[in-house]
Amino acid sequence: DAGVIQSPRHEVTEMGQEVTLRCKPISGHNSLFWYRQTMMRGLELLIYFNNNVPIDDSGMPEDRFSAKMPNASFSTLKIQPSEPRDSAVYFCASSLIGTSSYEQYFGPGTRLTVT
Amino acid sequence: DQQVKQNSPSLSVQEGRISILNCDYTNSMFDYFLWYKKYPAEGPTFLISISSIKDKNEDGRFTVFLNKSAKHLSLHIVPSQPGDSAVYFCAALPYTGANNLFFGTGTRLTVIP
Repeated sequence: DAGVIQSPRHEVTEMGQEVTLRCKPISGHNSLFWYRQTMMRGLELLIYFNNNVPIDDSGMPEDRFSAKMPNASFSTLKIQPSEPRDSAVYFCASSLIGTSSYEQYFGPGTRLTVT
Repeated sequence: DQQVKQNSPSLSVQEGRISILNCDYTNSMFDYFLWYKKYPAEGPTFLISISSIKDKNEDGRFTVFLNKSAKHLSLHIVPSQPGDSAVYFCAALPYTGANNLFFGTGTRLTVIP
């Protein structure tokens, strides 16, 4: 089992540039979550999808952030334009709806630095 | 407005002693609770969970206690080992049937050899 795969692992970009983060969930999982980790807020849920459909995007901080899940095996989180305050570690996680454990499996994260 | 709070950002414990990590929540509707462990440069990994109908769940060296009236849960690690040094997050399921989680801000545990 490859686990949740995220790319890139590190991204350094200049303010104003577009950033795209990518995620491949665990095969067979039907829920996908995007989180941002900061010191102040811990793990903050940005958006999640069930069966490729966005369910709750209330955590997306601004219109500069957008996420898509075109199929069950791929999702992107895009920031356009990026700002220094977007610097954080972004995690993708996946899970299987309907199990009793409610466990989410996390990828290794993408460390984003916006200068 | 953080609905799941971990008020201690860090904790240091001597190897072999007990580590107690605390977590408070504000919403009495929260139905299920999980603890995750995170090492540097890795994603969080699931550690242990507890349903709101229980007050204790044990798995080896790890025990989670839930006090619903106080809206408080704690993770006990006995005995603590240097490999337990990590950031620990508690998380809560908002209601039965949901699949999104609310996470706390994390507590960094350092176990001193």
